[in-house]
Amino acid sequence: GAGVSQSPSNKVTEKGKDVELRCDPISGHTALYWYRQRLGQGLEFLIYFQGNSAPDKSGLPSDRFSAERTGESVSTLTIQRTQQEDSAVYLCASSRDIAAYEQYFGPGTRLTVT
Amino acid sequence: DQQVKQNSPSLSVQEGRISILNCDYTNSMFDYFLWYKKYPAEGPTFLISISSIKDKNEDGRFTVFLNKSAKHLSLHIVPSQPGDSAVYFCAASASNSGGGADGLTFGKGTHLIIQP
Repeated sequence: GAGVSQSPSNKVTEKGKDVELRCDPISGHTALYWYRQRLGQGLEFLIYFQGNSAPDKSGLPSDRFSAERTGESVSTLTIQRTQQEDSAVYLCASSRDIAAYEQYFGPGTRLTVT
Repeated sequence: DQQVKQNSPSLSVQEGRISILNCDYTNSMFDYFLWYKKYPAEGPTFLISISSIKDKNEDGRFTVFLNKSAKHLSLHIVPSQPGDSAVYFCAASASNSGGGADGLTFGKGTHLIIQP
């Protein structure tokens, strides 16, 4: 596609359930990033992939968060045993490669944990 | 500890006038700065960027100024148009982390409202 796409656009889940968020980057972009934006806050960097490798997972908020990427394509962010504080908009971005500063964002997934 | 600060949560400007959005940073390792524009229910859209080796970059109605000694940058929009109404995020990166390797560090955003 022409841009970064994310699904679902909205997700409401009960506390304690697992959720999986999906990101399709721009075709040909080898670098992929996940961010979180809580209400009234700026974007918080979570993790990046160069290809399907994520060298540094220290930005993930807790061990309930994990992310995968297959090849240089789709990435999934999984949150296990969701908590109310996980409620946020989760944004995915991609860039040409890890050396490129300009990142192109998807529309985000709004996650609400009740 | 907020490394990128946008101290004005909102700014109202009359159509046709200049909009000036400000951003301050604390990390001296930052050497590349970007501005993103965000409409409701959409992801941020890249607007303009500047490397620390420059003090100005211009693209149409948008100009970004960088003052390294003050660790301050600003985005000027002139003339302001109704479609410019959006939230503007300042973001920064440090090249010693390989460009995007640490992700971008964002400010909290400034909501720009262009009044007719």
